[in-house]
Amino acid sequence: EVQLLESGGGLVQPGGSLRVSCEGSEFTFGSYAINWVRQAPGKGLEWVSAISGGGDSTKYADSVRDRFTISRDNSKNTLYLQMSNLRAEDTAVYYCARDNVAVAGSFGYAFDHWGRGTLVTVSS
Amino acid sequence: EIVMTQSPVTLSVSPGERATLSCRASQTVSGHLAWYQQKGSQAPRLLIYGASTRATGIPVRFSGSGSGTEFTLTISSLQSEDFAVYYCQQYIKWPITFGGGTKVEIK
Repeated sequence: EVQLLESGGGLVQPGGSLRVSCEGSEFTFGSYAINWVRQAPGKGLEWVSAISGGGDSTKYADSVRDRFTISRDNSKNTLYLQMSNLRAEDTAVYYCARDNVAVAGSFGYAFDHWGRGTLVTVSS
Repeated sequence: EIVMTQSPVTLSVSPGERATLSCRASQTVSGHLAWYQQKGSQAPRLLIYGASTRATGIPVRFSGSGSGTEFTLTISSLQSEDFAVYYCQQYIKWPITFGGGTKVEIK
């Protein structure tokens, strides 16, 4: 069964940094693009960032561009989101979610598997 | 960015009845439209992709239709486990965007 497991969330002060991770299992990790999607408390879903299967192409929402960096280590089946200059409005559960299609050099599809999420709280 | 608008915000339905949820895109997304279900604090679950293709393991009572800018998710006969929040998502153009959600509650 395909699994994604996030970790690394926690409490961080405004202006601080944090890195969250997502480990995948039971699928060929490097064949799939993976996304970060967040959900602020009581709010809807917001797509944050995506990275191609090979890691050579990335996309970001305007709200996080230049503050967040997505990366992956396919040898460790792990996805990362490095977050810096954090703001209160970044407080959310962060989910990793896999594209439902494995197409070399292409990404941007529906998301067929999601992790359980990790909570990031930005507060002083 | 493409703005996705869902209606209604809340839908009150009795078990066994049909539920019809709408999603409108601010510009055409062709058939690059997905629907998700989210229960409580659980992760979202993919129901429909390509506007009308059911994801693996999704019951046939869930169906999607539409193209261009107008889409519909229909639940033919609501079961107790279907009361949840539903989101539409476009993935034709970056940034990927979600609608604000429709909460389906018990009438």
